[in-house]
Amino acid sequence: DSGVTQTPKHLITATGQRVTLRCSPRSGDLSVYWYQQSLDQGLQFLIQYYNGEERAKGNILERFSAQQFPDLHSELNLSSLELGDSALYFCASSVERSNSPLHFGNGTRLTVT
Amino acid sequence: ILNVEQSPQSLHVQEGDSTNFTCSFPSSNFYALHWYRWETAKSPEALFVMTLNGDEKKKGRISATLNTKEGYSYLYIKGSQPEDSATYLCAFLNYGGSQGNLIFGKGTKLSVKP
Repeated sequence: DSGVTQTPKHLITATGQRVTLRCSPRSGDLSVYWYQQSLDQGLQFLIQYYNGEERAKGNILERFSAQQFPDLHSELNLSSLELGDSALYFCASSVERSNSPLHFGNGTRLTVT
Repeated sequence: ILNVEQSPQSLHVQEGDSTNFTCSFPSSNFYALHWYRWETAKSPEALFVMTLNGDEKKKGRISATLNTKEGYSYLYIKGSQPEDSATYLCAFLNYGGSQGNLIFGKGTKLSVKP
């Protein structure tokens, strides 16, 4: 058990809809990262938050947004969903030191129909 | 565009075989190289974080080496067991990047047959 909790595990929704994915980081970790994994793609970095502030941004679409709350949990909001947004979305956390690994949650499987 | 390549894409071995696979990354501005093990229906789990050229790390039957000058890392598994079946991911972090800038390879999928 990595200590990172993601909910929900599965989400099925229709095109055009909006969903929110939730992540609670490992106790003591201030950094939260969101990754997307589509079919045949590697893990694509979306966005990182550190102690409530946006720290780094990857290939995140304008339709997607995220935030980290004072209790350090994070939410990833996906809106105007398209079929191509179907993917596995991972959250990870770390202590943000040069030699610290990422600790991943079990992911949320999003299916857009 | 920074690219991380892993080879082979997939590997099928018999129980007891030793195996190795490669991660290639940019040799300039190196900061850290991560290895993760990802079992089906689970989350990626960290194996090693390597930061020094020539570094070797070991965890049980799994070990890794790092060559930052030529931009590659090898992961070795000695005496593979069925429970080693997983996808092995490497990720490169360049100097000045935060952990969020880790660039992941697509992984090597290992299947160990009993």
